Amino acid sequence: EAGVTQFPSHSVIEKGQTVTLRCDPISGHDNLYWYRRVMGKEIKFLLHFVKESKQDESGMPNNRFLAERTGGTYSTLKVQPAELEDSGVYFCASSHIGLSKFQVYNEQFFGPGTRLTVL
Amino acid sequence: AQSVTQPDIHITVSEGASLELRCNYSYGATPYLFWYVQSPGQGLQLLLKYFSGDTLVQGIKGFEAEFKRSQSSFNLRKPSVHWSDAAEYFCAVSGLTGGGNKLTFGTGTQLKVEL
Repeated sequence: EAGVTQFPSHSVIEKGQTVTLRCDPISGHDNLYWYRRVMGKEIKFLLHFVKESKQDESGMPNNRFLAERTGGTYSTLKVQPAELEDSGVYFCASSHIGLSKFQVYNEQFFGPGTRLTVL
Repeated sequence: AQSVTQPDIHITVSEGASLELRCNYSYGATPYLFWYVQSPGQGLQLLLKYFSGDTLVQGIKGFEAEFKRSQSSFNLRKPSVHWSDAAEYFCAVSGLTGGGNKLTFGTGTQLKVEL
């Protein structure tokens, strides 16, 4: 079974440009999460999809970030226009849906991340 | 708000020596606690998790962690470190909110293993 994949692995862009990151979750995983790690700091939650719906986008830093998950499969995260402080590693993770009655936690499987550098 | 503190940014140990990585958390309810490891070029891999029950949990690669509620800690241990354990380790906390399990991470501890 293929793991979570992310594309590209690295991206270097200039301030003001647009970048789109892609995440392909594990097949069958309805939960999809985006996280970001700015250099030297903790990994921070950005948002959570359940299928194609945004369940929680409380971590999105501002309206320059747009996440989509059309069809409930892969997801994209677009940054437009990019700023210097957007540099960091963007991680995607996926998991099965928990059983609502028993509130079972399901392990999040992480991709290798996309390293974004904004010059 | 929940938070995680990993006080050690870098740790160096000799191969074969024991290891303990510290983690303290702040969470209003019973937390779900995790340790992840990231090797260069790889995604985060789950080492172990604590939900409830026995406070000493065993994980993969010979790691274990102990949940101490009174100290709000979840320290990671390994009796004998191997060179392949060199990586970055992240402690994380989560709860269950609306069916989602967003993780709150610490800043990570970079482990170097000397041969």
